[in-house]
Amino acid sequence: SQTIHQWPATLVQPVGSPLSLECTVEGTSNPNLYWYRQAAGRGLQLLFYSVGIGQISSEVPQNLSASRPQDRQFILSSKKLLLSDSGFYLCAWSVPDRGNTGELFFGEGSRLTVL
Amino acid sequence: GNSVTQMEGPVTLSEEAFLTINCTYTATGYPSLFWYVQYPGEGLQLLLKATKADDKGSNKGFEATYRKETTSFHLEKGSVQVSDSAVYFCALRGNTNAGKSTFGDGTTLTVKP
Repeated sequence: SQTIHQWPATLVQPVGSPLSLECTVEGTSNPNLYWYRQAAGRGLQLLFYSVGIGQISSEVPQNLSASRPQDRQFILSSKKLLLSDSGFYLCAWSVPDRGNTGELFFGEGSRLTVL
Repeated sequence: GNSVTQMEGPVTLSEEAFLTINCTYTATGYPSLFWYVQYPGEGLQLLLKATKADDKGSNKGFEATYRKETTSFHLEKGSVQVSDSAVYFCALRGNTNAGKSTFGDGTTLTVKP
């Protein structure tokens, strides 16, 4: 069966420090991968998505970046965190050959607090 | 672009009460529609989905019908339980650009015994 894991689960970082959140999917090949951010009391904002290794699309301008060094690995990074980067970050994957009928499968989430 | 509008929360109900959470959408083409649920401190998980007009998705006593004429996908449950307390997200998935999903802002449901 397929599984998705992201880590760390909780992170407290000072302003200006770097960030690296990692997400790994097991049990499937060539998944579509996504990073979402959920601000407190608000919905999900799509940050990045990827349809293959090295292929990253950014949805919003920001100081975050994403990379996909391997087929089932998706990394969210920042060189210098801002206070506004605080939030709950969710990695997700979907089956690429189901068009738009397939659902998203989410990781457990990573809660980032920037102080 | 695509958008999803959900009924604002929070919603507080007594156990065994009837639940409706309204969801309307704007989209081009033929999107699929989803309801996800998020329990405290966890990621989202699929609750139900419908992929074409007039389809009814159902799971765990929850139902929602894809109404193209009213662009709606309202979530209903006849008798809620305390364990249904969670945040519910309505979402649509378009048929272009890797099938990106657009989410509503979420509705927090609290069920009291």
